[in-house]
Amino acid sequence: QLQLQESGSGLVKPSQTLSLTCAVSGGSISSGGYSWSWIRQPPGKGLEWIGYIYHSGSTYYNPSLKSRVTISVDRSKNQFSLKLSSVTAADTAVYYCASLQQLVHSFDYWGQGTLVTVSS
Amino acid sequence: AIQLTQSPSSLSASVGDRVTITCRASQGISSALAWYQQKPGKAPKLLIYDASSLESGVPSRFSGSGSGTDFTLTISSLQPEDFATYYCQQFNSYPLFGQGTRLEIK
Repeated sequence: QLQLQESGSGLVKPSQTLSLTCAVSGGSISSGGYSWSWIRQPPGKGLEWIGYIYHSGSTYYNPSLKSRVTISVDRSKNQFSLKLSSVTAADTAVYYCASLQQLVHSFDYWGQGTLVTVSS
Repeated sequence: AIQLTQSPSSLSASVGDRVTITCRASQGISSALAWYQQKPGKAPKLLIYDASSLESGVPSRFSGSGSGTDFTLTISSLQPEDFATYYCQQFNSYPLFGQGTRLEIK
């Protein structure tokens, strides 16, 4: 059973870059069948998919965030990362990492989430 | 772009009630539709995938149905632990979530 755990800075200044990492255990990030995703949830609001990366390294991003998002994978550490540049207060949210099953396109394993606040 | 609209946005019900939540897509989508349950301060939990397949470990009182543009999540007999927010999610070009349905105790 996969386990995912987010880590990173909980406070980011406006215009700077948000950086988070998701450590995967219980399975290899390099194995097929999954893509590795980031999803966020502003306080009191709904879920927004940010993007995902395949084990091959191919990435897909939400068109509304594409210009500011980079997702990468570190196979040696079995983890993947999110960078979101030029942040504003609107990027304040709980950020989740999750595994997306490629066959049925559903998110079956989630991290616990980490709150990132954008504030000076 | 496809939009997903859940209805109702909120719902009050009692333990033992049968509850149905609807997710409507702005255009026809495949059966790649999932339902999640989220409790306050917790990550979403997958309940249903592929429109009607029950995720392992999820109680059988949860069921999903639908195709094309209209999908439903049904809870046959509400239990106290079912009061939460529910989200649908589709995958067409990329994942998209509905706005959520908050299920509250009457």
